[in-house]
Amino acid sequence: KAGVTQTPRYLIKTRGQQVTLSCSPISGHRSVSWYQQTPGQGLQFLFEYFSETQRNKGNFPGRFSGRQFSNSRSEMNVSTLELGDSALYLCASSITNPEETQYFGPGTRLLVL
Amino acid sequence: AQSVSQHNHHVILSEAASLELGCNYSYGGTVNLFWYVQYPGQHLQLLLKYFSGDPLVKGIKGFEAEFIKSKFSFNLRKPSVQWSDTAEYFCAVNGGMNYGGSQGNLIFGKGTKLSVKP
Repeated sequence: KAGVTQTPRYLIKTRGQQVTLSCSPISGHRSVSWYQQTPGQGLQFLFEYFSETQRNKGNFPGRFSGRQFSNSRSEMNVSTLELGDSALYLCASSITNPEETQYFGPGTRLLVL
Repeated sequence: AQSVSQHNHHVILSEAASLELGCNYSYGGTVNLFWYVQYPGQHLQLLLKYFSGDPLVKGIKGFEAEFIKSKFSFNLRKPSVQWSDTAEYFCAVNGGMNYGGSQGNLIFGKGTKLSVKP
């Protein structure tokens, strides 16, 4: 069974731009969570989607948003990029609930200049 | 706020040494506990997990962890480390449906980098 895939793997943007990251969960997994990983803050939860609905959200500003499609694929969008948004963005999928085991993708490394 | 503490930022060991990485969490309800590992250049992988039952859980590659509810701890252990264990280790907690009223999401510790000298 294929693992969680994320595209693109690397991205360079400039301040003020917006970016969209994509995540395809493991086949059959309906819950998708997003995390931001930085050296200073570590891994922080962004949001979780299930059946095209956001079920849970972390403490990030409204510039961070996401959505999930009917095939469980998810996208996250960051608008008006700031230098501090440079990070590794990780997607994780689980069957129905984050309470179960989450399987992580390789991440998208975003650099904001 | 709920939190997870990993006391050691960087641990350096020689091969065959024993390993214990500390993890404490701050939530008193029912929790699911995880250890994830991130090898250099690779993505996060599940090492082991505790949901219920025997508090001593065994994971992959000879790792084990013990859940001590009274101490809010879930320390990771390995009797004899290898050079290939060099990685960053993350403890995570998921409190399930009752976790602060949310549906549940992973709260991670800051991670412990393990360097094993050959």
